[in-house]
Amino acid sequence: AQKITQTQPGMFVQEKEAVTLDCTYDTSDQSYGLFWYKQPSSGEMIFLIYQGSYDEQNATEGRYSLNFQKARKSANLVISASQLGDSAMYFCAMSSFSGSARQLTFGSGTQLTVLP
Amino acid sequence: KAGVTQTPRYLIKTRGQQVTLSCSPISGHRSVSWYQQTPGQGLQFLFEYFSETQRNKGNFPGRFSGRQFSNSRSEMNVSTLELGDSALYLCASSLAIAGGSNEQFFGPGTRLTVL
Repeated sequence: AQKITQTQPGMFVQEKEAVTLDCTYDTSDQSYGLFWYKQPSSGEMIFLIYQGSYDEQNATEGRYSLNFQKARKSANLVISASQLGDSAMYFCAMSSFSGSARQLTFGSGTQLTVLP
Repeated sequence: KAGVTQTPRYLIKTRGQQVTLSCSPISGHRSVSWYQQTPGQGLQFLFEYFSETQRNKGNFPGRFSGRQFSNSRSEMNVSTLELGDSALYLCASSLAIAGGSNEQFFGPGTRLTVL
């Protein structure tokens, strides 16, 4: 079974500062994928970034980067130069490639508030 | 390219009724997954369909069912609604290519309220 743990229910960051959202995972699969999604108050889940378990380089997408430490089973999201529009719930999720099915296991989320 | 669409966006039902939610995936995507989001349980996987076949199912009672059509559109049905079924129901689509990233794109969700 897979498990995602996000230990920060809420985080505050000053506008233009960088912030790190923590995510640890547990899985017995050798091949898996790690995702981060953003969910504004409107409810839609917005894909931010993906990291495959065999990717050696940390993933980056604009202001988002994923700090992947496989041995520690962590996949922290780093948002650089925070903007007011970054205020939202952030979810870390995992998928397994071990079967043909595609499903995501989500963490409990971190509510990020960017302060002006 | 149009994103994932879900209809209706909001729904109010009473206990004991049944409801059908619809999801149209991104063009070319053959996999559709459904998730339930509640404040208490968070985001939970319901089921996934690929080429009209249910490939995986989460830990939900048989009252929750779904199907997928030949054009990849999917419907989810909940029968004999209970108060605890009030939730945001999210649909996600993906290419589901073997060895691919399995990146899932979500729709805006259907917010179901059961009275």
